[in-house]
Amino acid sequence: AQRVTQPEKLLSVFKGAPVELKCNYSYSGSPELFWYVQYSRQRLQLLLRHISRESIKGFTADLNKGETSFHLKKPFAQEEDSAMYYCALSMVNTDKLIFGTGTRLQVFP
Amino acid sequence: DTGVSQNPRHKITKRGQNVTFRCDPISEHNRLYWYRQTLGQGPEFLTYFQNEAQLEKSRLLSDRFSAERPKGSFSTLEIQRTEQGDSAMYLCASSRGQGVLYEQYFGPGTRLTVT
Repeated sequence: AQRVTQPEKLLSVFKGAPVELKCNYSYSGSPELFWYVQYSRQRLQLLLRHISRESIKGFTADLNKGETSFHLKKPFAQEEDSAMYYCALSMVNTDKLIFGTGTRLQVFP
Repeated sequence: DTGVSQNPRHKITKRGQNVTFRCDPISEHNRLYWYRQTLGQGPEFLTYFQNEAQLEKSRLLSDRFSAERPKGSFSTLEIQRTEQGDSAMYLCASSRGQGVLYEQYFGPGTRLTVT
């Protein structure tokens, strides 16, 4: 069955430190991967998608089909990055999203 | 605010009662999605619509759940004979079209508590 795994419930770093939020997926077809973010008291919103190969707010993510991973990285964390991050998978012929359980990122000053 | 709106924002009900939630998508978005999120979990897909047609429904969704989008605009999600396990945040999202290039925009959610 299709699955998204985010092994860390909580990741705490100091401002300026590098960040890597891990995401692994299970899907035999050609996946579409996304990162969604939810800041405190705000709604869930798209951060980035692998198909766009973009950098948003300094974050990047590379799809590694060999390792079935889509880790989210930022070289220098900022306090405003503190939020809940969800990795999500979309499959061929459907637009539904399968989400991981999320990782809470805390960036301390 | 032209984003996705959901009403009510909070609902407390007793076990066995029926509840109905409403979602108003962004104008001209023809796809509408429902997800459910329980504590400590990510959103879980329930169902989605293309205009008024319900295209897919999760196998996890029991017969007590039904969703409609009668005129291809707003949607309602009804839960009959609520159970304590139905307590969750119910999220609605909409997108302009089909495919991964069309972002799903989420609403603020309706938090259901079944006592």
